[in-house]
Amino acid sequence: SQTIHQWPATLVQPVGSPLSLECTVEGTSNPNLYWYRQAAGRGLQLLFYSVGIGQISSEVPQNLSASRPQDRQFILSSKKLLLSDSGFYLCAWSSPGLTYQETQYFGPGTRLLVL
Amino acid sequence: AQKVTQAQTEISVVEKEDVTLDCVYETRDTTYYLFWYKQPPSGELVFLIRRNSFDEQNEISGRYSWNFQKSTSSFNFTITASQVVDSAVYFCALRGPTNAGKSTFGDGTTLTVKP
Repeated sequence: SQTIHQWPATLVQPVGSPLSLECTVEGTSNPNLYWYRQAAGRGLQLLFYSVGIGQISSEVPQNLSASRPQDRQFILSSKKLLLSDSGFYLCAWSSPGLTYQETQYFGPGTRLLVL
Repeated sequence: AQKVTQAQTEISVVEKEDVTLDCVYETRDTTYYLFWYKQPPSGELVFLIRRNSFDEQNEISGRYSWNFQKSTSSFNFTITASQVVDSAVYFCALRGPTNAGKSTFGDGTTLTVKP
């Protein structure tokens, strides 16, 4: 069966510091991968998605970036965090291909607080 | 453009009451998929159901049931005999081909079930 991991679970960072959040998927090959952000009490905002190694699509211009160095690894980064980057970051995967029929499955999330 | 509206921001019920969560969507696609997710206090989004636009048959899974009505663009979710463990934020989502398979989420409905 497939599992998705995210770490760290919680992170407190000062403004201006760098960020690296990691997401890995097990039990599947060439998944579609997604990064979402959820602000407190709000819905989900898609940040990035990837259909393969090195292929990243950005949805919202911001100071965040994403990379996919390996098939089942998806990393969210920032060189300098802003207060507005605080939130709950969720990684998700779906089966390969640009198929809208596929269900997205979510990881446990990372709570980021920027002070 | 796609849009998902969950007009009920918060709902509070007493245990054993039935509760219906509303979801109304907008899309120009003729083929699309609808999803419901549950987000308990731990934060992880748990997949509940997927329904394609050609299947208007209602579905029941234990205490959960879903009513899909294409004529009114609604995909409502009913919990029968609610329990405290049903307390969570519930999200409705839409995926279709013209949005490159990306999900459009509603803002969520926070359900509180009191003992």
